[in-house]
Amino acid sequence: QSALTQPPSASGSPGQSVTISCTGTSSDVGGYNFVSWYQQHPGKAPKLLIYEVSKRPSGVPDRFSGSKSGNTASLTVSGLQAEDEADYYCSSYAGNNNLVFGGGTKLTVL
Amino acid sequence: EVQLVESGGGLVQPGGSLRLSCAASGFTFSSYWMSWVRQAPGKGLECVANINQDGSEQRYVDSVKGRFSISRDNAKNSLYLQMNSLRAEDTAVYFCARRSSGSPDCWGQGTLVTVSS
Repeated sequence: QSALTQPPSASGSPGQSVTISCTGTSSDVGGYNFVSWYQQHPGKAPKLLIYEVSKRPSGVPDRFSGSKSGNTASLTVSGLQAEDEADYYCSSYAGNNNLVFGGGTKLTVL
Repeated sequence: EVQLVESGGGLVQPGGSLRLSCAASGFTFSSYWMSWVRQAPGKGLECVANINQDGSEQRYVDSVKGRFSISRDNAKNSLYLQMNSLRAEDTAVYFCARRSSGSPDCWGQGTLVTVSS
């Protein structure tokens, strides 16, 4: 039940793209296509951005995209906007109905 | 509209107990796995407990095994977390979350649990 590994911080200027990685093992990220990404603004509940590696819930802009290669998943935010400044978390199904999260990445829009 | 509303948080002394509740509405509660996810102050998310649709299966993170108990009442569309032998490190905002496709897709607003003397 070890946490997934995310970089603690990321940054980009408005209009640029930024990619956040999420590294796990073959027992979680690499073993299942059940990786999700969440956005959390201060004092708020997390909001689902991406599920099943690359699917977007209705209402989530297509500026947000997800992918996976081996044991590492990635979230790309394109066309950065000021309101994208937030904490981002990945999660993965880890078998036996267990769930593991990443440590979170603070995204700063410069 | 899917809604999850937590309650029951508060200040409790180390070694004490607390019971959290989560009222669900806007979806067929009995069709989903449900989870409790916590977030310590300034820290990341941690899934502490999960329960299947009829309550017959529970999963816990190692740090709360034997101390926390997750349950549900499908007739009342409610999820619960009984927390015993609380420690300072259990201090966190506790979120109720619906699970779909292996991960939480809807979250409540959270309830703060503070363990301190």
